[in-house]
Amino acid sequence: AQTVTQSQPEMSVQEAETVTLSCTYDTSESDYYLFWYKQPPSRQMILVIRQEAYKQQNATENRFSVNFQKAAKSFSLKISDSQLGDAAMYFCAYSPNTGNQFYFGTGTSLTVIP
Amino acid sequence: DVKVTQSSRYLVKRTGEKVFLECVQDMDHENMFWYRQDPGLGLRLIYFSYDVKMKEKGDIPEGYSVSREKKERFSLILESASTNQTSMYLCASSLIIGRAYEQYFGPGTRLTVT
Repeated sequence: AQTVTQSQPEMSVQEAETVTLSCTYDTSESDYYLFWYKQPPSRQMILVIRQEAYKQQNATENRFSVNFQKAAKSFSLKISDSQLGDAAMYFCAYSPNTGNQFYFGTGTSLTVIP
Repeated sequence: DVKVTQSSRYLVKRTGEKVFLECVQDMDHENMFWYRQDPGLGLRLIYFSYDVKMKEKGDIPEGYSVSREKKERFSLILESASTNQTSMYLCASSLIIGRAYEQYFGPGTRLTVT
């Protein structure tokens, strides 16, 4: 069974600094997708970044980038130049290439300190 | 922009009541999902549907049923609400099965069963 583990329930970062959120997953599949979602307080969950397992290049989206280590089954999110609006719950998610199942971690609550 | 709406943001029901949570998406997505979100447990899949009248059980289907009579609408039904079903319920949709596109989430319904 696929599992997604986020070992950091809470993290904090100073504004303008860089923070890395960790995620590991377990699967026997070779083709799959990984995601980071952001859920701001009392707001809708939105996609931050997506990584396709067959792509070796790490995905980036502006200040957000991932470190995808397929052999280690690790998928960390790096937020650079942190802003107050980055404060949220962040969820790591895995999906097999069939697209009909998504497995989520337990989330990391990120606090940005002014 | 994809829009996923849920019928209520907050709902309070009594034990034993039948509860309907409605979700509507406006982007012609084939897949729709119901999750519950609890602190420390992340998102857990209740049911998903990949087509009209088609449904599959997720990880925690007990005590729930679903209905999908139209492509854009996916309903979650609590046949006899219990206090342990107090939770945040999130609906999501995604594109066709076979491609693991990201999910688009609704704003959530916070259900309290007293």
